[in-house]
This record gives sequence, structure tokens and C-alpha cells, in this order.
Amino acid sequence: SQQGEEDPQALSIQEGENATMNCSYKTSINNLQWYRQNSGRGLVHLILIRSNEREKHSGRLRVTLDTSKKSSSLLITASRAADTASYFCAADHKGGYQKVTFGTGTKLQVIP
Amino acid sequence: SQTIHQWPATLVQPVGSPLSLECTVEGTSNPNLYWYRQAAGRGLQLLFYSVGIGQISSEVPQNLSASRPQDRQFILSSKKLLLSDSGFYLCAWSTLPGQGLATNEKLFFGSGTQLSVL
Repeated sequence: SQQGEEDPQALSIQEGENATMNCSYKTSINNLQWYRQNSGRGLVHLILIRSNEREKHSGRLRVTLDTSKKSSSLLITASRAADTASYFCAADHKGGYQKVTFGTGTKLQVIP
Repeated sequence: SQTIHQWPATLVQPVGSPLSLECTVEGTSNPNLYWYRQAAGRGLQLLFYSVGIGQISSEVPQNLSASRPQDRQFILSSKKLLLSDSGFYLCAWSTLPGQGLATNEKLFFGSGTQLSVL
């Protein structure tokens, strides 16, 4: 399958808690990106981590990358009800193919 | 600024009918263009991508096709729709960061087309 896997598939937490989502991919990558999708809408880019980086921060987002395990994680700290959405990782494949494939997504619900 | 237009937002088509979904990008040149399909509550499946006019790469064999007649126009077509073609279709674009880097660092998505084949 071209798609990576994400876990958990669904996550429900209380406002103020941290949310962690994991992503695994199958091939060598240039970078790994995380996107957010509100129901029935297009995806919005959140953060990118390059293959030579191990950790990246942006506001309440922290992403890690382990290329030896072909996995990444997204941490959202101090979650808010407005963070309720689906989150996807996307792999930019190495090899000059110019293709970007997405994981299966984690549906996050933040309960106020 | 760059924008992406995708239409229609919603489409209901009978089985066996043709399909044409159009996506256009403004404010950038020579973008990489992508068509994805998303089944209800699922991840995105890459269908086609294009790195230039007339250059189409197909990821999944199916009864869909794509064309790029102009630099900023990407069209998804079918001659005869199947029930399994139902889904949420998303168009996206990206540009390479330059400096000889052949990486896609950010995709910009259209608002999607919800296709129901009945």
C-alpha cells in the first residue's frame, strides 16, 4: 500500500491535556509533513520535518522523526476544543518522483 | 498571492456517466499538481500527480484519468463512473523550494469535491 499508518485512529482527550499521534511510513523520504483537516474540508499544512532533523517545534506543536524506524510523532500540548480535527502525516518520497503520500489519519476530539 | 480553485463542491452522478473535475491554480508557475481521493473517514489516496504540462503519473490503476492541458490546470476524468468512485476528491499543488532541491515541502489543498455515484 502506498499509505503509511497512523495510530491511534481516534483519540479523545480533555481540554488542556496533551495529544500524541504517531505515524509510520515505508520508503526513504526527503521530509515528513503534518496536516490538519476539519470535517469535509481541504487539508492545511501544520509543520514539516526534514529527514536530517530529529525534532521540530512550532507553537504548541512538537514533531519528532526517527528515520531508522521510519516513524514520526506529533505532540499537541495544552489542547483546546478548537484542535478537534483529523491529523495526517505525509511523506515526500526520495528518488526524484515528486510524489507525496499520506497516512491514514488520527481523528482527535478535544472535549471542553 | 497563490490560490487554488476546485469545483464543483458537490456532485451526484449516476453509475456509467462521465466525470470531469477541474482544478486551477493562480499566482504561481510550474507547480506540481496532485489529485487525491478520500473515502469517508479514511486517509488520502494519491491518484495522479504531475510535474509539468502533459506529464501525468498514475498511482492506482482504475477507470479514472488525469490531464494537464495548461501549466496551472489539472483535470480528473472518467468515461464511465463506478459506485466505488464515490468519495471526496482533493486537488493540491506544491512548488519546489529551489536551489536545486527536488523536495515538496508544503502542499496547498483545494476545498474538495464530494462525489456521490448512485
